[in-house]
Amino acid sequence: DIQMTQSPASLSASLGETVTIECRASEDIYNGLAWYQQKPGKSPQLLIYNANSLHTGVPSRFSGSGSGTQYSLKINSLQSEDVASYFCQQYYNYPLTFGSGTKLEIK
Amino acid sequence: EVQLVESGGGLVQPGRSLKLSCAASGFTFSNYYMAWVRQAPKKGLEWVATISTSGSRTYYPDSVKGRFTISRDNAKSSLYLQMNSLKSEDTATYYCARLQWLFDYWGQGVMVTVSS
Repeated sequence: DIQMTQSPASLSASLGETVTIECRASEDIYNGLAWYQQKPGKSPQLLIYNANSLHTGVPSRFSGSGSGTQYSLKINSLQSEDVASYFCQQYYNYPLTFGSGTKLEIK
Repeated sequence: EVQLVESGGGLVQPGRSLKLSCAASGFTFSNYYMAWVRQAPKKGLEWVATISTSGSRTYYPDSVKGRFTISRDNAKSSLYLQMNSLKSEDTATYYCARLQWLFDYWGQGVMVTVSS
């Protein structure tokens, strides 16, 4: 199974700041990576797919990058509505696996 | 607009069974793989099952293989999850999701609590 190691587990930043969340796969996943946002009490929503493609309707302040085993999600100009947990997921191979999540708060 | 609405959750005793349903609308259901994903309280996400467009192929992680069965009725645009021999560690919110390798749309989730 492919293990996804996500960091940090929690993050506190000020409005307008730029934050980065990292995800490392235990083997090469060839950009088969998605990022999800889960706001408190809500279901997850797709943000990024294929490591760097923005899903329909997602604000352009979100971006993804990486290759091989190392991937990251960057949020520019942090807004109050970005308070959420963020999860990465690999879909290169079964079983489909998720990172453990990053909880983002506003300082 | 894609909509996925789960139902059938509740409190169930260990060892018993429960069947979840998911009603889909806003897209051609029969054209898409579908899946179930769960989230234990205050925990991360875990993929639970996948079914192909026709229902002929299904996939499960080891944690539920042999106990859970995913199925679908394309005529009714509905997805199901039959859960047998439930354990306390199956307690979670269960999400129905449309699958294109990644999960591009999710339902609101349904809570399943396994406890005596």
